[in-house]
Amino acid sequence: GAGVSQSPSNKVTEKGKDVELRCDPISGHTALYWYRQSLGQGLEFLIYFQGNSAPDKSGLPSDRFSAERTGGSVSTLTIQRTQQEDSAVYLCASSLSEQYFGPGTRLTVT
Amino acid sequence: DQQVKQNSPSLSVQEGRISILNCDYTNSMFDYFLWYKKYPAEGPTFLISISSIKDKNEDGRFTVFLNKSAKHLSLHIVPSQPGDSAVYFCAASIAGGTSYGKLTFGQGTILTVHP
Repeated sequence: GAGVSQSPSNKVTEKGKDVELRCDPISGHTALYWYRQSLGQGLEFLIYFQGNSAPDKSGLPSDRFSAERTGGSVSTLTIQRTQQEDSAVYLCASSLSEQYFGPGTRLTVT
Repeated sequence: DQQVKQNSPSLSVQEGRISILNCDYTNSMFDYFLWYKKYPAEGPTFLISISSIKDKNEDGRFTVFLNKSAKHLSLHIVPSQPGDSAVYFCAASIAGGTSYGKLTFGQGTILTVHP
């Protein structure tokens, strides 16, 4: 497809379980970003990959959060030992200049 | 510390009139500003941007104004259409003359355009 895709679209998990969220960026886009939007809040930056440079992890809220980008394309955001406050919509964006967003993954931790 | 603020949670406008959405920022290092539009269950869609070297950028019905001394930007939509009803997010980055960089977002303003 032409746009950024994310999977799954919805994920319900029990507190304490690990989850993996996937992002397929637009082909050829060198930069990839993860954000999250909690209920009633704006988008919060999590992590940023640019080419082969070391990722900017400054927005990750705790060491339970990690992300990788394989082969400069697909990215996976992993949340270990999920907590209820992790419930949010997780959005991925890719860019050459302006950022184009995927539809997001709605994560609910029960 | 909220570095980008949209102080109006919602705005209601009549079709055909002007919609003005406002945004304030505190970090003087921001040099690139963007507006995104978001419909429910979709990701944000890029609308328009402006570099800090400009004070106005226009694209069709959308115009963004930047007042650096006041650390304020606004989005004008003229004329407003019912299809413009969505959540509008203001965002800023420290891009160093490019448009790269992580974005800091405001909380969003819900725009409703009534027929």
